[in-house]
This record gives sequence, structure tokens and C-alpha cells, in this order.
Amino acid sequence: GAVVSQHPSRVICKSGTSVKIECRSLDFQATTMFWYRQFPKKSLMLMATSNEGSKATYEQGVEKDKFLINHASLTLSTLTVTSAHPEDSSFYICSATLSAQQFFGPGTRLTVL
Amino acid sequence: GQQLNQSPQSMFIQEGEDVSMNCTSSSIFNTWLWYKQDPGEGPVLLIALYKAGELTSNGRLTAQFGITRKDSFLNISASIPSDVGIYFCAGQLNAGNMLTFGGGTRLMVKP
Repeated sequence: GAVVSQHPSRVICKSGTSVKIECRSLDFQATTMFWYRQFPKKSLMLMATSNEGSKATYEQGVEKDKFLINHASLTLSTLTVTSAHPEDSSFYICSATLSAQQFFGPGTRLTVL
Repeated sequence: GQQLNQSPQSMFIQEGEDVSMNCTSSSIFNTWLWYKQDPGEGPVLLIALYKAGELTSNGRLTAQFGITRKDSFLNISASIPSDVGIYFCAGQLNAGNMLTFGGGTRLMVKP
């Protein structure tokens, strides 16, 4: 089956620092990956659509300068949370598309102190 | 963005009981999906529905794509403790496009 990994699985950082989260499709190539954010006991909210070789498409209300997305290869998309603040603490989940189906990564829990 | 209305929000049932949950939308979707999420993990696909009226089973799970394309339900028969988790419905307008998720149903099973 299609496997998507995320790294790191959890990260704790100080306020004001930047954090990079990687999303990899391990056994397939994905031209499109999606980044979601999930608060405790809440649903997944789409942040942006990451397209290989082009700029990401951000959902309304998501700051593109705050959440930098790079999809430099067909197997890797990165999300960088810049100048993180405690309110950015959340569970970030990516998904990669294969044959029109989305496969989700295991998520990255970000805690900003 | 658009949200799907998923109910119930939570269920606490006895092992062996059947479970039913549903999702409704104000607009149509061409694909309905049901996922299960365990704590600290990403969602895992349970069932995908691609045609209005379609009824699909996966073991003890059965899901249906509503004829209006605005709703879907998921049934779990003879629940077991490992069914515990959060179940999400998701709608997709076109293949490969973004998913819109429901609010989730938290299922708890008492042995």
C-alpha cells in the first residue's frame, strides 16, 4: 500500500523559532500533497495544497508567509512554521495523492513554549 | 471553509452493539469517504464511496452514499473494543482534490 511518512513525529520549540516538518511519500510519487491542521478534539482543517514545482495554494485565513510550503520533489513536501507562537501549537497532518486517493501521514505534534 | 455536519459527536456503547453515524452537507459531493483516526495518528481510510446510492461493506463496516449526494452513513456491526477511536466522514468534489471533513464521531466501547 501507499505509505506516507512525516518527520518529526513531535517537536517542542521556543516561541519565535521556526520549525520545519517533512512529508514524504515513501513508495510512490505525488504531484499533489495536502497539509492539514488539527486542534485537540477537532476535525482536520485544510491549510494548503502543495503542488510539485509550483507555488502552494493556501486556504482562506492561512498566512502563506507564516506557513511556508515547499514541494521540491515528487516525494517530498515541507511545511515550515516561521516565528512560531504558542497558538501555532497543533497536530499537523499531510496527505499525498495517488490514483486520486489521499493517503495520510502519521502527523506531527508541534508544541510551542 | 465548508464543513460537513457529522453526528453524533460521541457515542459510548457496549461491546457487541451496532453503531450508526452519518454526515450531511449543504452541497453535493461526488465522493464520500470514511476514515478512522487513533490518538496521535493520521486518519486511515475505511471505506470509499463513488456513486450515488452505492452501498459498500468492509468487514463489519457498511457505508452508503446518499442518493442526493449530500449525505452518507457508516454502520459498524457487533462492535469490539478496538473499534474505539474517532471516525470522520469526508467529501470530495473531484478525484484528487481537497477533502472536506466532518466534525468527527468519538466512539467509546465498553467491554
